[in-house]
Amino acid sequence: KQEVTQIPAALSVPEGENLVLNCSFTDSAIYNLQWFRQDPGKGLTSLLLIQSSQREQTSGRLNASLDKSSGRSTLYIAASQPGDSATYLCAVITGGFQKLVFGTGTRLLVSP
Amino acid sequence: KAGVTQTPRYLIKTRGQQVTLSCSPISGHRSVSWYQQTPGQGLQFLFEYFSETQRNKGNFPGRFSGRQFSNSRSEMNVSTLELGDSALYLCASSPGTAYNEKLFFGSGTQLSVL
Repeated sequence: KQEVTQIPAALSVPEGENLVLNCSFTDSAIYNLQWFRQDPGKGLTSLLLIQSSQREQTSGRLNASLDKSSGRSTLYIAASQPGDSATYLCAVITGGFQKLVFGTGTRLLVSP
Repeated sequence: KAGVTQTPRYLIKTRGQQVTLSCSPISGHRSVSWYQQTPGQGLQFLFEYFSETQRNKGNFPGRFSGRQFSNSRSEMNVSTLELGDSALYLCASSPGTAYNEKLFFGSGTQLSVL
């Protein structure tokens, strides 16, 4: 059974810092890995999708890497801003369309 | 292009009742999936529909069911509600033809069971 965990569970940083969020999964047979952000009481917004054959994806200040063999992914946020404050979730697909297995999430707070 | 729309936004029910939630996907998307989010269990996959057929199912009891219509709109039904069914229910849509598709989520329906 696929299990996804995220470390740390919560993170508080001052504005401008570069930070790294970690995601690990137990079964390396994944189709892809996605990173989402969730604002309180809201739905999820897809940030980055890394296909199983890829090593990383970039979008603006965000960079996500994937190491399937070790079952790890990292999300790097450069020059953090207060607007980045949210919960970040990683999720993998191991079998079945849209059948995402989500991690436990990292709650990020960026203070001005 | 309109996003994924879920109605209602909030719902309060009592134990034993049943409830129906609605999800309208992005135009052109044929795959709709449902997730339950609770503080204790996090986000868990319920089921996924593609072209009116259930394609995948999570580990939830038979009280949870769904369907999809020819216009790709989907409904989720929970019968004989229990206190533990209180959760944020999210639906997501995508074209549904490849594994490497981004999922687009609605804002969710917050269900409270009293």
